[in-house]
Amino acid sequence: QVELQESGPGLVKPSETLSLTCSVSGYSITSGYYWGWIRQSPGEGLELLGSIYHRGNAYYNPSVKSRVTISVDTSKNQFSLKVKSVTAADTAVYYCSRVGPPGSVNYFDSWGQGSLVTVSS
Amino acid sequence: QSALTQPRSVSGSLGQSVTISCTESRTKGGSYNFISWYQQHPGKAPKVIIYDVKKRPSGVPDRFSGSKSGNTASLTISGLQAEDEGDYYCCSYADDYIWVFGGGTKVTVI
Repeated sequence: QVELQESGPGLVKPSETLSLTCSVSGYSITSGYYWGWIRQSPGEGLELLGSIYHRGNAYYNPSVKSRVTISVDTSKNQFSLKVKSVTAADTAVYYCSRVGPPGSVNYFDSWGQGSLVTVSS
Repeated sequence: QSALTQPRSVSGSLGQSVTISCTESRTKGGSYNFISWYQQHPGKAPKVIIYDVKKRPSGVPDRFSGSKSGNTASLTISGLQAEDEGDYYCCSYADDYIWVFGGGTKVTVI
């Protein structure tokens, strides 16, 4: 059974870079599927930031594309998120998740528990 | 791209049925047949309860059902139970490996 676990600092200063890592266990990240980052601002809904395939092909939500980078480390079975130039609006719970190729597994079937990141000086 | 609109809240009594709508406005691409629904309880990660419009993952009670007509998808909870209280999100594949979520609907059991 696949398990995902987010890790990273819970507090980031404004204008700095937010960095999170998702460790995947119970499933090889190279076996298929896409791996995504989704955030949820306090009291708000879900927003997909982007997704990545194990070969490194990354796809970003146009609303955050200029500030977000998603990368993958197959040797560690992990993928990562960076959001640069953060502001208070980036304060959110960040989830990592697994989603299938469109047309195959068309939903987010596994989620991490979430990592709260607060942007504050 | 795509935008999904859900009602902010719905409520129902124990044992009743409630239906949550998810209306799509689409500019290009994607597939509205790749609709999924997620249940989220406070402080927890979302959990998929419906995918591909009307399919249920194993372990999800059959009181949850999905449907679609035109550009509106719907989630119906029949025989509402106390544990069904929470937030529900629809999600659709927009295009270019990007999925879009609706704004969420809070279900209250009266």
